[in-house]
Amino acid sequence: AQTVTQSQPEMSVQEAETVTLSCTYDTSESDYYLFWYKQPPSRQMILVIRQEAYKQQNATENRFSVNFQKAAKSFSLKISDSQLGDAAMYFCAYRTAETQGGSEKLVFGKGTKLTVNP
Amino acid sequence: DSGVTQTPKHLITATGQRVTLRCSPRSGDLSVYWYQQSLDQGLQFLIQYYNGEERAKGNILERFSAQQFPDLHSELNLSSLELGDSALYFCASSAGTGGQTQYFGPGTRLLVL
Repeated sequence: AQTVTQSQPEMSVQEAETVTLSCTYDTSESDYYLFWYKQPPSRQMILVIRQEAYKQQNATENRFSVNFQKAAKSFSLKISDSQLGDAAMYFCAYRTAETQGGSEKLVFGKGTKLTVNP
Repeated sequence: DSGVTQTPKHLITATGQRVTLRCSPRSGDLSVYWYQQSLDQGLQFLIQYYNGEERAKGNILERFSAQQFPDLHSELNLSSLELGDSALYFCASSAGTGGQTQYFGPGTRLLVL
């Protein structure tokens, strides 16, 4: 079974600075998808960024980028120019690419609580 | 706004009772997923429906059941409620199968007293 580990329960960053959140995963599959979701105090789950395992290029969405190291099974999220609105729980998630009779569930890490200091 | 709606937003009930949580997926999405978020278990997958049929089951208790209707909305039924069932229940939807991103609704916060 796949597992996702976020080793940093809490992180903090100064406004306008850069922070990196770590995520590692365990799988025997070669094709899969990885996601970062953000959960602000409203508790809404918001997609931040998505990475396909077959793509070597790291995904980027505005101030958010990932460092995807497939061999190391590592998928870190970098937030540049941090803003107060970035304060939230961040969840790393894994999804198999196999669709034949399998579950397409998301497997989540425990989350990292990010605090942004003004 | 993800386009996924869930009702009710909050639910307070007593042990032993039965409740129904409702989810409407994004327009055009065929897959619906239910997740439970609790303090001790984190975010856990419960069940997936695709175009009206059950596709996959996760850690869903026998006291829980779900269905997806012809109009693609879904309901999660929780019965014989226990204190430990108190959690945030999310519905998510995706366009189909095969890699599509899951978009989450705002969740239903269930408190069992």
